[in-house]
Amino acid sequence: ILNVEQSPQSLHVQEGDSTNFTCSFPSSNFYALHWYRWETAKSPEALFVMTLNGDEKKKGRISATLNTKEGYSYLYIKGSQPEDSATYLCPGDSGGGADGLTFGKGTHLIIQP
Amino acid sequence: SQTIHQWPATLVQPVGSPLSLECTVEGTSNPNLYWYRQAAGRGLQLLFYSVGIGQISSEVPQNLSASRPQDRQFILSSKKLLLSDSGFYLCAWSEGGSGQVFGSGTQLSVL
Repeated sequence: ILNVEQSPQSLHVQEGDSTNFTCSFPSSNFYALHWYRWETAKSPEALFVMTLNGDEKKKGRISATLNTKEGYSYLYIKGSQPEDSATYLCPGDSGGGADGLTFGKGTHLIIQP
Repeated sequence: SQTIHQWPATLVQPVGSPLSLECTVEGTSNPNLYWYRQAAGRGLQLLFYSVGIGQISSEVPQNLSASRPQDRQFILSSKKLLLSDSGFYLCAWSEGGSGQVFGSGTQLSVL
């Protein structure tokens, strides 16, 4: 099991501003970290799978970095738009095989017009 | 392409009634299947996972059970629901070490 902690739990950002939030995890049993975007009443949408220390991945205005030595990953959103409003999850994966991901409470992002 | 179907979308059940939530996957064979729950104010918690027909692993002791009668079908059940079973239930599938793909979820309210 790779337990994660996300901060902040809630974030209000003005439309057009850039923002970032954090996912922390113990570096000892790290295998992979996933980022998901979850809108209310919809399926969580996979954004990134981070595996290697120093990984940096990008999808449009959203990017993520990974530091496995210090145990954190950042998710960045550039030029926030109202459609970015969602809960962002970063479940940990300890590589134990088929067992599931370990989720934190997520960061609830609200973009204000 | 692979798709995952989960139903119903919402369910209101009285305490003590039975439960059956169904999840099916199309377009893949022998997927790993998962049931998660989000209780109010908490993160997603893994309830069960399955690596094959008839193979169920439970992560937490609880009032629920799961079954996999067919390769691409995963069912979550309870004989008698408790108030604490209320929550948002998600089914997911994966292949090997790739990320998981989630269904659309079921909001269960036990009254």
